[in-house]
Amino acid sequence: DIQMTQSPSSLSASVGDRVTITCQASQDITNSLNWYHQKPGKAPKLLIYDASNLETGVPSRFTGSGSGTDFTFTIHSLQPEDIATYYCQQYHTLPRTFGQGTKVEVK
Amino acid sequence: QVQLQESGPGLVKPSQTLSLTCTVSGGSISSGDCYWSWIRHLPGKGLEWIGYIYYTAHTDYNPSLKSRLTISIDTSKNHFSLDLSSVTAADTALYFCARDRGHLSSHHAFDVWGHGTMVTVSS
Repeated sequence: DIQMTQSPSSLSASVGDRVTITCQASQDITNSLNWYHQKPGKAPKLLIYDASNLETGVPSRFTGSGSGTDFTFTIHSLQPEDIATYYCQQYHTLPRTFGQGTKVEVK
Repeated sequence: QVQLQESGPGLVKPSQTLSLTCTVSGGSISSGDCYWSWIRHLPGKGLEWIGYIYYTAHTDYNPSLKSRLTISIDTSKNHFSLDLSSVTAADTALYFCARDRGHLSSHHAFDVWGHGTMVTVSS
């Protein structure tokens, strides 16, 4: 299985801050990488697909970049509604695997 | 727009079989452009992909669950199902069904999710 390693595991930032999460794959996955956020008790929501493409309807403050093994997800101006756990997920190889998650809190 | 809804018992006894169904509305399960997946969120842990099924009944399973897992589809009822046998407390989780788009383009993503159903394994 391809292991996806996210960092940090949690962070706290102020409204308006820029927040960055990294995700590293255990092998080259080209750009086969998606980002989701999940609020407690809710289903995950797709934010970014193919490493850098914004899903329809998702605010433009969310961006993604990277390819190969190293990827970055950024919230350019943190909003209170962004409180959630963020996950990366690879689809290069079965089984599909997720990172362990990054819990984002607002100070 | 496509919506998914999980259904099934919330409590299963150890060693028994966990059975869930995902009903698809707002679109046809036979559309051919996506896979239909099961994903679970283990308490205190992250998300685990369980497996998927295509409308032709082709399946792929997570090797960690393959020996206990069956995913099936009923196109006449527009739903697909999960059976996980010989469950233990480690199978206690929030179970989601999700649409995995990208069958034709190979750009896969879970873009539509059910609300999730909590399943507890306990005697």
